[in-house]
Amino acid sequence: AQSVTQPDIHITVSEGASLELRCNYSYGATPYLFWYVQSPGQGLQLLLKYFSGDTLVQGIKGFEAEFKRSQSSFNLRKPSVHWSDAAEYFCAVGRTGGGGSNYKLTFGKGTLLTVNP
Amino acid sequence: DAGVIQSPRHEVTEMGQEVTLRCKPISGHDYLFWYRQTMMRGLELLIYFNNNVPIDDSGMPEDRFSAKMPNASFSTLKIQPSEPRDSAVYFCASTSIGGSYEQYFGPGTRLTVT
Repeated sequence: AQSVTQPDIHITVSEGASLELRCNYSYGATPYLFWYVQSPGQGLQLLLKYFSGDTLVQGIKGFEAEFKRSQSSFNLRKPSVHWSDAAEYFCAVGRTGGGGSNYKLTFGKGTLLTVNP
Repeated sequence: DAGVIQSPRHEVTEMGQEVTLRCKPISGHDYLFWYRQTMMRGLELLIYFNNNVPIDDSGMPEDRFSAKMPNASFSTLKIQPSEPRDSAVYFCASTSIGGSYEQYFGPGTRLTVT
């Protein structure tokens, strides 16, 4: 079964600083990978996804992530953080292959981002 | 598109009472997922449906929990009887076969059982 680890429970950065949120996954093949963001009191919103091809993917709100097969990682980055980026971020992995279980995602525990002015 | 709709947004009930959470998926989506989010356990998949049929309910914590999807536009998650440890935020999400596997989440229902 697949699993996701987000090593950092809470990260604090200053507005304007760069950001990297870590995500490591465990899966026997190349997985589908996602980053979601959750603002307080809201549902999860998709930031970006990786299925195949270019290992550097661009998402909404200026975020990007890089898939590194050798490290089983899919880290999320942003060059300059804005106060509105304060939220909780979730990495998720989905299975490749056939069948309806493709649509089942496994989520990490999340990383809470605080942005200082 | 209105997105995934959940009701109620907040529910406060007493232990032992029946609780029913409701979800309307995005029109045209044929997969529906119910998740529970707590501080201790994070986001857990409870059950998911494909074309209104339950596919995997291995995440349902116990027999007090049940879920139905009588048609393509409506699903319920019921807890009977409710217990304080059921307090959590419950999310519904949907996606479509042949799509890009991303799930679209509703705003959630915050359940408090006293």
